[in-house]
Amino acid sequence: GAVVSQHPSRVICKSGTSVKIECRSLDFQATTMFWYRQFPKQSLMLMATSNEGSKATYEQGVEKDKFLINHASLTLSTLTVTSAHPEDSSFYICSARGGSGNTIYFGEGSWLTVV
Amino acid sequence: EDQVTQSPEALRLQEGESSSLNCSYTVSGLRGLFWYRQDPGKGPEFLFTLYSAGEEKEKERLKATLTKKESFLHITAPKPEDSATYLCAVLKGGNQFYFGTGTSLTVIP
Repeated sequence: GAVVSQHPSRVICKSGTSVKIECRSLDFQATTMFWYRQFPKQSLMLMATSNEGSKATYEQGVEKDKFLINHASLTLSTLTVTSAHPEDSSFYICSARGGSGNTIYFGEGSWLTVV
Repeated sequence: EDQVTQSPEALRLQEGESSSLNCSYTVSGLRGLFWYRQDPGKGPEFLFTLYSAGEEKEKERLKATLTKKESFLHITAPKPEDSATYLCAVLKGGNQFYFGTGTSLTVIP
């Protein structure tokens, strides 16, 4: 089946620095990619939706300048957490829409810890 | 208001005890209903997509069904390895994608 790969799976960064998470669709072209944040024992919270070559659409309450999303190609989207703070520590998951039936496939997730 | 509700929130089953998980939705213009399995600390794993009322899909011990208002995920003779959180999501027109809060399933040996 279709595969979406996220990298890194775990990252620790210092407060005030920026960190980039990559999301790649490995065997299909993703017309749309989504970024989520998930807190322990809670459901996925959509942060933003991005279409290749255009600006991302952010959900209400999500800071655009803090969570920079770039959808540079049909197989790659990146999420950059800028000037990270401990409260940004979370599990970030991407998903990609494409392939047969426009099914949405998820990446393995990335654990971010800001110290 | 577009909404997806899953029940129960948590379910404990004995190994071999069949049951069903429910996903009810009030989304107009359904384009697809998706079921995923999520293990702790991992991204959701795709299970099924259902597109129209009356459709059914099966995979091993799982069977998903869809009506105009809800979907069921039937688990037949579950095993401990079926323990996970099961998420359903509804795709509306465009890229509007609504998730339920999930059902946490625990299968006891």
